[in-house]
Amino acid sequence: SAVISQKPSRDICQRGTSLTIQCQVDSQVTMMFWYRQQPGQSLTLIATANQGSEATYESGFVIDKFPISRPNLTFSTLTVSNMSPEDSSIYLCSVQRQGAYNEQFFGPGTRLTVL
Amino acid sequence: GENVEQHPSTLSVQEGDSAVIKCTYSDSASNYFPWYKQELGKGPQLIIDIRSNVGEKKDQRIAVTLNKTAKHFSLHITETQPEDSAVYFCAASSRYIPTFGRGTSLIVHP
Repeated sequence: SAVISQKPSRDICQRGTSLTIQCQVDSQVTMMFWYRQQPGQSLTLIATANQGSEATYESGFVIDKFPISRPNLTFSTLTVSNMSPEDSSIYLCSVQRQGAYNEQFFGPGTRLTVL
Repeated sequence: GENVEQHPSTLSVQEGDSAVIKCTYSDSASNYFPWYKQELGKGPQLIIDIRSNVGEKKDQRIAVTLNKTAKHFSLHITETQPEDSAVYFCAASSRYIPTFGRGTSLIVHP
């Protein structure tokens, strides 16, 4: 498996502000993903974080709202911009390792509340 | 795209009983089927997975079965314990990105 840490673990923010979430992995991984999990719901993929290039976004998610960086093989950030109460959710970082046959591991999540 | 249906949404059992969660998928190209356990306040944890060349896999009290013809797979937990209480997610994937079911909240009563 992979050890994944996220910062912050939780935050309460005012509407209109932005929050950047960090994801750090203990080993080099090929794929990094960002998911959103709304209360009591399943996991929705926001985007695939690509090292050294723009992230690949899923339908319904745009770069202006969720800018993502991945400067190297062990670190990524997700920013939630111009937040509204509808952005209140758990944001999860996830990774796959090369040759791991699709095994995917999740970080502990960042619980975001927007007032 | 892939569509994964998961049932039941809530499952309540007595300690020591067995629990079964079932999932169906739509894409015949899917070949990897992981199961995740998510405890309150934590991220999903991969607990077991099965690949399309295998019909059944067991790990202590947990087992998964796969029927590729019918496109369904199941998670079986025997001798349930209170610490098994959590939300369980199934998923199916054919490439890098899995499609997740909606989750089953398992409650084990002592």
